[in-house]
Amino acid sequence: DTGVSQDPRHKITKRGQNVTFRCDPISEHNRLYWYRQTLGQGPEFLTYFQNEAQLEKSRLLSDRFSAERPKGSFSTLEIQRTEQGDSAMYLCASSSVQGLSDTQYFGPGTRLTVL
Amino acid sequence: GDSVTQMEGPVTLSEEAFLTINCTYTATGYPSLFWYVQYPGEGLQLLLKATKADDKGSNKGFEATYRKETTSFHLEKGSVQVSDSAVYFCALSVIGGATNKLIFGTGTLLAVQP
Repeated sequence: DTGVSQDPRHKITKRGQNVTFRCDPISEHNRLYWYRQTLGQGPEFLTYFQNEAQLEKSRLLSDRFSAERPKGSFSTLEIQRTEQGDSAMYLCASSSVQGLSDTQYFGPGTRLTVL
Repeated sequence: GDSVTQMEGPVTLSEEAFLTINCTYTATGYPSLFWYVQYPGEGLQLLLKATKADDKGSNKGFEATYRKETTSFHLEKGSVQVSDSAVYFCALSVIGGATNKLIFGTGTLLAVQP
């Protein structure tokens, strides 16, 4: 079990550019979540996949954001036409439901800075 | 809607002091409750959890008891160490809905001085 990995760890981009982040979940986990964390705040839910199906999207996820999980394994989060307000830490988590327990394990995050 | 409220930080303690970080929640269903810890420069790590009322989660000397009557899940440790300095997040998820997304509090920064 190598844990959840995310790539890149840091991304600096100019306003208006597109960026894409990748998340590799724990291999046997069928659930995958994206969260966004701004400075001094707790993470906020963005979107959720069960296998390859995207089952929920937060209102925080504007039309400029898109996420995929094409084969039910890794996931990508793309932000088009980035804005300075998109600067944040983007966290990925994965889980596998066991009974009534669904414990999410987080990756190290991708820190995005939009100049 | 569902929410989590944590005591504001920073909390500054001397080594070996007793720690309490308060957490209360509002939930429409039957939530599971979690404490996550974020050390400087690192991602979120699960510290402990409880899935039903009166359950006690424990790990690394930290404890928290799921109190349904007071809708609370306070984090405690009898003797903190400098290495416990981190940001602590209380969170809930409601099992049985469309997702089990986590709802987090704003976090409490703990600074332990030698």
